[in-house]
Amino acid sequence: QQQVKQSPQSLIVQKGGISIINCAYENTAFDYFPWYQQFPGKGPALLIAIRPDVSEKKEGRFTISFNKSAKQFSLHIMDSQPGDSATYFCAASYLQGAQKLVFGQGTRLTINP
Amino acid sequence: DAGVTQSPTHLIKTRGQHVTLRCSPISGHKSVSWYQQVLGQGPQFIFQYYEKEERGRGNFPDRFSARQFPNYSSELNVNALLLGDSALYLCASSLVATGDTQYFGPGTRLTVL
Repeated sequence: QQQVKQSPQSLIVQKGGISIINCAYENTAFDYFPWYQQFPGKGPALLIAIRPDVSEKKEGRFTISFNKSAKQFSLHIMDSQPGDSATYFCAASYLQGAQKLVFGQGTRLTINP
Repeated sequence: DAGVTQSPTHLIKTRGQHVTLRCSPISGHKSVSWYQQVLGQGPQFIFQYYEKEERGRGNFPDRFSARQFPNYSSELNVNALLLGDSALYLCASSLVATGDTQYFGPGTRLTVL
């Protein structure tokens, strides 16, 4: 059962553009939603995370938008740069209980110079 | 401070063999989690250990086992290897057992022939 669905699988954006990646979840008990960035040969690194009591969180060029009623959340990367080219994973988890992250399938983002 | 370290970096085994993967968490971190990342997919949760006790287990067969040592390092063991066990095995550490950011290591790439 795929509990977190991520789209698109791949995305190409021009330098300076906005990259948008979407995720949908099924389990309403999830209460922690992080985004991870992964470069080839490296482990995932936490980019930004949100809890369902807020609808938006911004850190620098990265913004999470959260829609609790639709069970969807998205990552926006403003002014996308070639160095942002990586695979991005959304995830969902619980703040209590085991620290089990449920990941989406990933989006390979390419920023063209 | 050093991040999460994992060894070995790469490993090649044949079907039916046994493998042991090792993880050292960030200094001061007491929780270690293991994930399996098959090529082209998001990581999947295998185990979480905190203070040497198992806190959570994912949907993996009993061929997979793990333990945590008094210095909080951890081992993941896989018996009777199958071709489908070929993956990147990621270790993540966090300060506490719940509600905390997980920091991932670079992973061990296991190839089963």
